Amino acid sequence: DQQVKQNSPSLSVQEGRISILNCDYTNSMFDYFLWYKKYPAEGPTFLISISSIKDKNEDGRFTVFLNKSAKHLSLHIVPSQPGDSAVYFCAAVDRGSTLGRLYFGRGTQLTVWP
Amino acid sequence: EAGVTQFPSHSVIEKGQTVTLRCDPISGHDNLYWYRRVMGKEIKFLLHFVKESKQDESGMPNNRFLAERTGGTYSTLKVQPAELEDSGVYFCASSPLGLYGYTFGSGTRLTVV
Repeated sequence: DQQVKQNSPSLSVQEGRISILNCDYTNSMFDYFLWYKKYPAEGPTFLISISSIKDKNEDGRFTVFLNKSAKHLSLHIVPSQPGDSAVYFCAAVDRGSTLGRLYFGRGTQLTVWP
Repeated sequence: EAGVTQFPSHSVIEKGQTVTLRCDPISGHDNLYWYRRVMGKEIKFLLHFVKESKQDESGMPNNRFLAERTGGTYSTLKVQPAELEDSGVYFCASSPLGLYGYTFGSGTRLTVV
């Protein structure tokens, strides 16, 4: 049973415009959320995170928004660049658990075209 | 700083054979994780070491999988005997205690034929 869902397997955006990647979760115990970016033949790379006590976290071109009541988060990339083309994974963790495991979604393939 | 290193990068084995994957975490990282991604699906947790101790192995699919972490340094994941459904990319990740933004290795792509 998937606890983190990314319902869009792919997204195509023109360079310079905004990319919005979405993620939903079902476990109300999750209190920390992360986004990872993955290029082919490489491991996922940590991009940005947000604690459940916040509703927004920004780092340069990347902003993550969290809507706890809807159990939904999104990653905004603006402006999008061709180098942003990759698979983006949403992940969640219950920090109250000592186990520390991350629960991942299936990923969204972002393609940014010139 | 060297990253997380995994060997081999690819492995093709026949059903019933044994394969051992190795992971060298970032020096000083006490947390070491193994995850697996079957094509097109989510990255799924397998197990978690803190130093040399297994903290959580609830994600291990069955007893054909055996993980060890020698002296709290490198880790191995052995699959014996391998089955077709074991095919996928096996990722290792490490982090300091208390940090969730792990550093992942490039993965080992295992194909069982």
